[in-house]
Amino acid sequence: DADVTQTPRNRITKTGKRIMLECSQTKGHDRMYWYRQDPGLGLRLIYYSFDVKDINKGEISDGYSVSRQAQAKFSLSLESAIPNQTALYFCATSEDSDSNQPQHFGDGTRLSIL
Amino acid sequence: AQSVTQLGSHVSVSEGALVLLRCNYSSSVPPYLFWYVQYPNQGLQLLLKYTSAATLVKGINGFEAEFKKSETSFHLTKPSAHMSDAAEYFCAVSDRGNQFYFGTGTSLTVIP
Repeated sequence: DADVTQTPRNRITKTGKRIMLECSQTKGHDRMYWYRQDPGLGLRLIYYSFDVKDINKGEISDGYSVSRQAQAKFSLSLESAIPNQTALYFCATSEDSDSNQPQHFGDGTRLSIL
Repeated sequence: AQSVTQLGSHVSVSEGALVLLRCNYSSSVPPYLFWYVQYPNQGLQLLLKYTSAATLVKGINGFEAEFKKSETSFHLTKPSAHMSDAAEYFCAVSDRGNQFYFGTGTSLTVIP
């Protein structure tokens, strides 16, 4: 089983809909992250959380919200989806230590908004 | 502020040829640097990391990278490309605190 699991893997929806992407991990890491990947832009950080009581905005948080339901679960919501949020979304985790520890990624959710 | 620049969004090499993927960084503190690989329909996987020990870092699948402070570079190399190396490669820098910053990626094509 994957250490970082994202659901769904693919989603097609319409403009204005509310969407939730879920991430769960079995690595026991405290730190969790949400990124979006767009061609030619690399990965951009949306939100990150260092524990269940800690939520921080990243570079591109507008239009998104998150919830850290437990150490192992970190969900990303699009309250009212718009077409320019079409992208590949990744959840990642890392150990709670000096950031020489790498991140561990899920396989991504491909989201298309029509 | 931290940032990463990857020169060349697409690189093509012949099978058996040298692979060189370029990464330059800027960081206000001594950086931690990483290379990740992404295969189609998968997430990113760690290839190697630099954390202020040896400047030449060896990773998985025969890849290595050299940290050059004077050039603010962390280029990724492999002496002989294999077909299975075709993928997207990302360089990343950590600011030793909170966040990781990724380059825009380099797509590697290996020609038979």
